[in-house]
Amino acid sequence: DVVMTQIPLSLSVTPGQPASISCKSSQSLLRSDGKTSLYWYLQKPGQSPQLLIYEVSSRLSGVPDRFSGSGSGTEFTLQISRVEAEDVGVYYCMQGIHLVTFGGGTKVEIK
Amino acid sequence: QVQLQESGPGLVKPSETLSLTCTIAGGSIGKYYWSWIRQPAGKGLEWIGRIQTSGTTDYNPSLKSRVAVSVDTSKRQFSLKLTSVTAADTAVYYCAFLGAGIWGQGSLVTVSS
Repeated sequence: DVVMTQIPLSLSVTPGQPASISCKSSQSLLRSDGKTSLYWYLQKPGQSPQLLIYEVSSRLSGVPDRFSGSGSGTEFTLQISRVEAEDVGVYYCMQGIHLVTFGGGTKVEIK
Repeated sequence: QVQLQESGPGLVKPSETLSLTCTIAGGSIGKYYWSWIRQPAGKGLEWIGRIQTSGTTDYNPSLKSRVAVSVDTSKRQFSLKLTSVTAADTAVYYCAFLGAGIWGQGSLVTVSS
């Protein structure tokens, strides 16, 4: 089984400041087509998860450009350049190459 | 644009079978993978399993012995059955098209006598 480890478990951020979440997988997520099967989701309170980033660094249409993803192989990062109040919630990374596994989640709150 | 809606009983007795259906509205049902995910209150997301419209299935190894996912393309529905449930199976159950980031609103299922 592929284990997805997210750090930190929680983050308290002042509006306008940056935030960074790390996700490490126990196996490489590189596919045979050269793409990497790593996704980032945000679950806002009381809502279903919403996809922010797919294949490491591609933003879904409509996702603000303050969100960016990076990484390769087994280590990945989600960065928010300037956190806004609407960014609160739990962020999950997800791998989709070895069945599907989610990270444990990182709760982001505003100071 | 594809939309997903879960339906099924909100209360299931211990040792019985949990059954949920996800209806796919709009868009093409295509040759895609359709997934089930669950989330106990206050906890993280757990992938349960998926089915491709061809009928090919994959399951979470931790649940494989109790799970079955099926599809009915004529009804644009796919279904989840989880047998021998216990209180630990109490959760919000989501259906999703993970590849496009499309999720249903979730269905709370409580296991209790």
